[in-house]
Amino acid sequence: AQTVTQSQPEMSVQEAETVTLSCTYDTSESDYYLFWYKQPPSRQMILVIRQEAYKQQNATENRFSVNFQKAAKSFSLKISDSQLGDAAMYFCAYRTNYGGATNKLIFGTGTLLAVQP
Amino acid sequence: EPEVTQTPSHQVTQMGQEVILRCVPISNHLYFYWYRQILGQKVEFLVSFYNNEISEKSEIFDDQFSVERPDGSNFTLKIRSTKLEDSAMYFCASSLQGTQPQHFGDGTRLSIL
Repeated sequence: AQTVTQSQPEMSVQEAETVTLSCTYDTSESDYYLFWYKQPPSRQMILVIRQEAYKQQNATENRFSVNFQKAAKSFSLKISDSQLGDAAMYFCAYRTNYGGATNKLIFGTGTLLAVQP
Repeated sequence: EPEVTQTPSHQVTQMGQEVILRCVPISNHLYFYWYRQILGQKVEFLVSFYNNEISEKSEIFDDQFSVERPDGSNFTLKIRSTKLEDSAMYFCASSLQGTQPQHFGDGTRLSIL
């Protein structure tokens, strides 16, 4: 069974600085998707970025980028030029991509990011 | 931008009572999901629903749980006889296709007394 591990329960960053959130996963599959979701306090989870496992190029969305290391099964999220609005719980998630067998997301335990002014 | 909406935002129920959590998925989406998050724990998959039937369910989704799409817009999760351990945040999600990203609602906080 696949598992997702986020080893940093909490992180803190100064406004305008860069922070990296860690995520590792375990799977025997070769074709899958990885996601980072952001959950502000009392708000819905929002998709931040996604990575397809067969793509070697790291995904980027504005100030958010990932460092995807397939062999090491690592999928970290880098937030550049951190803003106060980035403060949230961040979840790493995995989804298989095998022929529609399942679409469920498997989540890590989350990292609570605080942004200091 | 279209959103998934969930009601109520907070539900308090006596143990043993039935509860129905409601979700309105994004209108053109075809796949619907329920997840839950017990306080301090990870988000866990409960069930997925497509073409008016359950396509997958987890071991958590036992006979006490059921889902329904009673009309063209709502997607509901019913817990027949609630237990203390059902206290959690319940998230509804939808996706256009099964392989497309899932969009989540704000969640319903369910408190069982």
